[in-house]
Order: sequence, then structure tokens, then C-alpha cells
Amino acid sequence: DQQVKQNSPSLSVQEGRISILNCDYTNSMFDYFLWYKKYPAEGPTFLISISSIKDKNEDGRFTVFLNKSAKHLSLHIVPSQPGDSAVYFCAAVPNNFNKFYFGSGTKLNVKP
Amino acid sequence: DSGVTQTPKHLITATGQRVTLRCSPRSGDLSVYWYQQSLDQGLQFLIQYYNGEERAKGNILERFSAQQFPDLHSELNLSSLELGDSALYFCASSAYHRETDTQYFGPGTRLTVL
Repeated sequence: DQQVKQNSPSLSVQEGRISILNCDYTNSMFDYFLWYKKYPAEGPTFLISISSIKDKNEDGRFTVFLNKSAKHLSLHIVPSQPGDSAVYFCAAVPNNFNKFYFGSGTKLNVKP
Repeated sequence: DSGVTQTPKHLITATGQRVTLRCSPRSGDLSVYWYQQSLDQGLQFLIQYYNGEERAKGNILERFSAQQFPDLHSELNLSSLELGDSALYFCASSAYHRETDTQYFGPGTRLTVL
């Protein structure tokens, strides 16, 4: 049962433009959401997170938006850079932290 | 370099065998998490230990087990291996056990089951 879904396996964007990565979830008990970035042959690295009491969190070029009514979150990268090319995973944590749920990932390719 | 180390880097074994993957967390971190990344399933949370005790369980098969030792390093044991167990296994660590704690990932162990 996939409770966190990233429906786009891949995304291609021109350098300098905006990259928007989407994530949908089904469990209204999720309390905290995270985005991780993963380069080939490396472990995932934490990127940005958002608590369910917020609808936006910004860190430099990265902004995460949370729409609780739609059970949807998105990661915006502006401006996109070739070094951003990686696989991006969204993850969700319920308020009792009994499990940790990841999406299947979106491979972002930023073209120079 | 996240400060989390995992050994071995690569492991090739046969079906039915048993292997042990090892993880050393960042200095001072009390929580260790294990994840499996396979081609068709993405990144799956397996299990979390906090200060030696099991804290949270994810999609971990009964053939798999883990433990965290007094020195806080952790081992993931995979037994009766099947072809489908071939995957990248990541370990992560965080300072405590709160969901708000950033997790730092190791480089992973690539397991190939032939």
C-alpha cells in the first residue's frame, strides 16, 4: 500500500527555469514531510522539511509547499542548476512515528 | 561525507545464504535507521533503533533482523536470501528519535543475490 506517491518518475528542465516535483499522500495522520536528494552511488541527503502546521518552507533555492486539504506537497527549485540533477524522494512521518514512508522518487535532469 | 559508515560496500552472494550489513552512526547520534532501495520499490524504511532499543518498524521482512549494540553501531542481518533481496541498503543516523531530526545517510551497501 503506497501511502506516499511520486507519480512522475522523471522530469527534465532547462537550466535557470523552475523545477517542480510533486508528491501525494493518502494518510491524514502524517505530521511531518521531508525531501531527500540522491546522487548515483551515494546515500540520500536531506534537503528540506515541513511540518504539517505550516504550508510553506523556504531554504535558498528550495521551497516546499504543503496543501493538507489536497494531501499534496511539492518541491520548487528556482533557478534549476545542472548540479541539481538527481533523484528526489519525498517522505512522510505520522504523528506517532510508527513508520516512515518514502515515495518512489523522481529523477530530475537539468539540462545546461 | 555524512559521518555515517557502512560496510561492506558491495556484497555478492547466492540465494539461501545469510549476510550481515554493518553501520556506524555519526559520532553522538543515538538513532540508526535502515532503508532498502530497490529498482521497483523506491526507498523503503525498514527499521529504526534508538539507543539500543527498537523504536519503529517499517516494511521489514521476517527473514531480516537488526540490532543496535552498546557502542551504537548497528547490524542488519538478512537470511534465506532471495533474488528479490538484491538492492541498495542504506543506514542513516540522527541525534535523537524525533521525526524532526535530520537523518544523515551512509553510502550504502549494494547487495547482489545470484
